[in-house]
Amino acid sequence: SQTIHQWPATLVQPVGSPLSLECTVEGTSNPNLYWYRQAAGRGLQLLFYSVGIGQISSEVPQNLSASRPQDRQFILSSKKLLLSDSGFYLCAWTKGLAGVETQYFGPGTRLLVL
Amino acid sequence: GNSVTQMEGPVTLSEEAFLTINCTYTATGYPSLFWYVQYPGEGLQLLLKATKADDKGSNKGFEATYRKETTSFHLEKGSVQVSDSAVYFCALSVWGSQGNLIFGKGTKLSVKP
Repeated sequence: SQTIHQWPATLVQPVGSPLSLECTVEGTSNPNLYWYRQAAGRGLQLLFYSVGIGQISSEVPQNLSASRPQDRQFILSSKKLLLSDSGFYLCAWTKGLAGVETQYFGPGTRLLVL
Repeated sequence: GNSVTQMEGPVTLSEEAFLTINCTYTATGYPSLFWYVQYPGEGLQLLLKATKADDKGSNKGFEATYRKETTSFHLEKGSVQVSDSAVYFCALSVWGSQGNLIFGKGTKLSVKP
């Protein structure tokens, strides 16, 4: 069966510090991968998605970036965090390209920028 | 463009009450529709889905019917439990969109004993 991991689970970082969040998927190959952010009291915002190694599409311009160095690894980064980067970051995967497949979500990383 | 509109929350119900959470959508192409649930402190889990008009998705006593004529996918449950307290998200995905989901803002449900 497939599983999706995210770490760390929680993170407290000062403004201006770098960020690296990691997401890995097991039990499948060539998944589509997604990063979402859920700010406090708000819905989910798609940040990035990737259909293959080295292929990243950005949905929202901001100080975050994403990379996919391996087939089942997706990394969310920032060089300098802002207060507004605080939130709950969710990674998700899906197998299909057709837009009808279920997305499976990881447990999330809660980020607090102080 | 594609969008999802959910009823504003929070919704507070007593145990065994009937639940309806409204969801309407706007989409180009042929959307699939989903309900996801987020329990406190956790990620999202798929609750149910429907991939074509008139399909009914169901799971754990929850149901939603894909209504193309009213562009709706309302979530219902006949008798809620305290354990149903969570945030519920309606979402759509359009064919050929690389599987990207478009979410509503979520509706927080609190069920009191």
